[in-house]
Amino acid sequence: NAGVMQNPRHLVRRRGQEARLRCSPMKGHSHVYWYRQLPEEGLKFMVYLQKENIIDESGMPKERFSAEFPKEGPSILRIQQVVRGDSAAYFCASSPGSSQETQYFGPGTRLLVL
Amino acid sequence: SQQGEEDPQALSIQEGENATMNCSYKTSINNLQWYRQNSGRGLVHLILIRSNEREKHSGRLRVTLDTSKKSSSLLITASRAADTASYFCATPTGANSKLTFGKGITLSVRP
Repeated sequence: NAGVMQNPRHLVRRRGQEARLRCSPMKGHSHVYWYRQLPEEGLKFMVYLQKENIIDESGMPKERFSAEFPKEGPSILRIQQVVRGDSAAYFCASSPGSSQETQYFGPGTRLLVL
Repeated sequence: SQQGEEDPQALSIQEGENATMNCSYKTSINNLQWYRQNSGRGLVHLILIRSNEREKHSGRLRVTLDTSKKSSSLLITASRAADTASYFCATPTGANSKLTFGKGITLSVRP
């Protein structure tokens, strides 16, 4: 049973470009969480999705950030017109349900904005 | 201060010694979780302790939870160089179980 997969592992973008981060949850998991980790900081919740639905996006910046989890395929975190402050590690986690049990984390995507 | 605050912020010990890390939180919880993150890597779930549990063991890990003090501790016994990592406590908040993390503790185990 493969773990949570994220790609790319490293992503370099220039200011103003778009960044697309992908997350494939563990097999059988239909709940996906995205977190962001700034340097020397803990992880901060961004968004929680179930298949085809955004359930909680209270941690998402209001502009330029969007997320989806289509019926088929991975979950996507999309950052438009990236700025240097978007440089961070972005982690995806999945769980089989939302019953406050363990979340399984992917290896993260490290985004560097030049 | 934020939900899930760990202390100390950094800890350096000799291989073979025990490492104790503490976490405090503010709101009521159903469970508290500890994660490890090796440098530049993802998070690995270590242990989950429920609010009705006081102590839990997993290998060389021992976790305690004191809900009256809203605190938890993680003890790593007989530490190894491979235990060098950052350790985070996290608590699920809200109906959707999003995790709130502390800033983490950087543990260095000297060989």
